[in-house]
Amino acid sequence: DAGITQSPRHKVTETGTPVTLRCHQTENHRYMYWYRQDPGHGLRLIHYSYGVKDTDKGEVSDGYSVSRSKTEDFLLTLESATSSQTSVYFCAISVGQDLSGYTFGSGTRLTVV
Amino acid sequence: AQSVTQLGSHVSVSEGALVLLRCNYSSSVPPYLFWYVQYPNQGLQLLLKYTTGATLVKGINGFEAEFKKSETSFHLTKPSAHMSDAAEYFCAVSREFSGGYNKLIFGAGTRLAVHP
Repeated sequence: DAGITQSPRHKVTETGTPVTLRCHQTENHRYMYWYRQDPGHGLRLIHYSYGVKDTDKGEVSDGYSVSRSKTEDFLLTLESATSSQTSVYFCAISVGQDLSGYTFGSGTRLTVV
Repeated sequence: AQSVTQLGSHVSVSEGALVLLRCNYSSSVPPYLFWYVQYPNQGLQLLLKYTTGATLVKGINGFEAEFKKSETSFHLTKPSAHMSDAAEYFCAVSREFSGGYNKLIFGAGTRLAVHP
């Protein structure tokens, strides 16, 4: 199995503060993704990366930025956290020869108070 | 644009009964289709996927799904529910973009409850 870890697993932060979530993978996969999960919405794509320094926006990218300076790390930053960003955040990587499926991390539960 | 609709946000079945979770998709190109399962406080785990070939796809834990192009459906079934099947299930569609990457679009999810 692809090794993918997210940190922290839980975080509580105050409105207006910056927050960075980390996704780390150990198998040199090129494609990485950040999703948020909210009740009634399933998972929605925030940002994705197709290589070092190559990133693009997903469907709910407002208020988020990402960086990928190394293949193994994909960082998601909330520049100024808002209560609407309270969510569970999942990182994923594309695996398999046809890149058609994802492997997900265990998630980060973020609460903005 | 692609989208996924899961009919029924909550489904409840008796242990031993048939499980049927419905998924319809829209896609302008031949899609890849997936079912994922999420147990409480865990990430998502792939149950099965359809890319090409046989339209009846078998997955883990006794689940299977059939791709029906004419109905744009990819319903998930299991003949006999177990208590351990209680979880949330997500249907997803993807397509490949130039450059080789793909993006998954998820449905809103269906929470399956199994009662004795």
